[in-house]
Amino acid sequence: GAGVSQSPRYKVAKRGQDVALRCDPISGHVSLFWYQQALGQGPEFLTYFQNEAQLDKSGLPSDRFFAERPEGSVSTLKIQRTQQEDSAVYLCASRIEGGWLTDTQYFGPGTRLTVL
Amino acid sequence: DAKTTQPNSMESNEEEPVHLPCNHSTISGTDYIHWYRQLPSQGPEYVIHGLTSNVNNRMASLAIAEDRKSSTLILHRATLRDAAVYYCILVESGGYQKVTFGTGTKLQVIP
Repeated sequence: GAGVSQSPRYKVAKRGQDVALRCDPISGHVSLFWYQQALGQGPEFLTYFQNEAQLDKSGLPSDRFFAERPEGSVSTLKIQRTQQEDSAVYLCASRIEGGWLTDTQYFGPGTRLTVL
Repeated sequence: DAKTTQPNSMESNEEEPVHLPCNHSTISGTDYIHWYRQLPSQGPEYVIHGLTSNVNNRMASLAIAEDRKSSTLILHRATLRDAAVYYCILVESGGYQKVTFGTGTKLQVIP
């Protein structure tokens, strides 16, 4: 069956450009997470949605990062005025219910962002 | 958040068992122990989780120490496809469980 998909898979941006990264979660999944993964590191939490509500954005590194999920399905992570330190893999994960405990989080393949 | 400590890397011969350790000395009574793995160029995938008792599934076994301060992920017969970074994560019960990944253990499987 269809898993979590992300697009684009690779994105190269010049410093100062705005980028938008898309996540298509598994249909019907309530929870959606965004993570940032720097080279050689584990994923770091960015933000969490339950349906269309953004319940936690404490991991967003600056006000240049913005995420939305307006209809409770597809989500977009937007980065304004990209900086070199934004270069990383951005992972999206979805889960059938709110919370993590008993159900698996399903991760997408990630979008590799390179800022020149 | 409670932290976990894992070796940076391990090696195993193909078709031999692999024991991946994880220390979590500050674990609380309501924390679950989850393991995920990340194959090259892919997102993490769930492997197994447990609370107090040992757990088995089709992918692996999880052995949890009696005091819960450590656990071991057991791959019964390593294959080349098991080469990945393995993450041991503590997940609080309740709420939506924001989690913290560490740097994990990079497992190399030698043919």
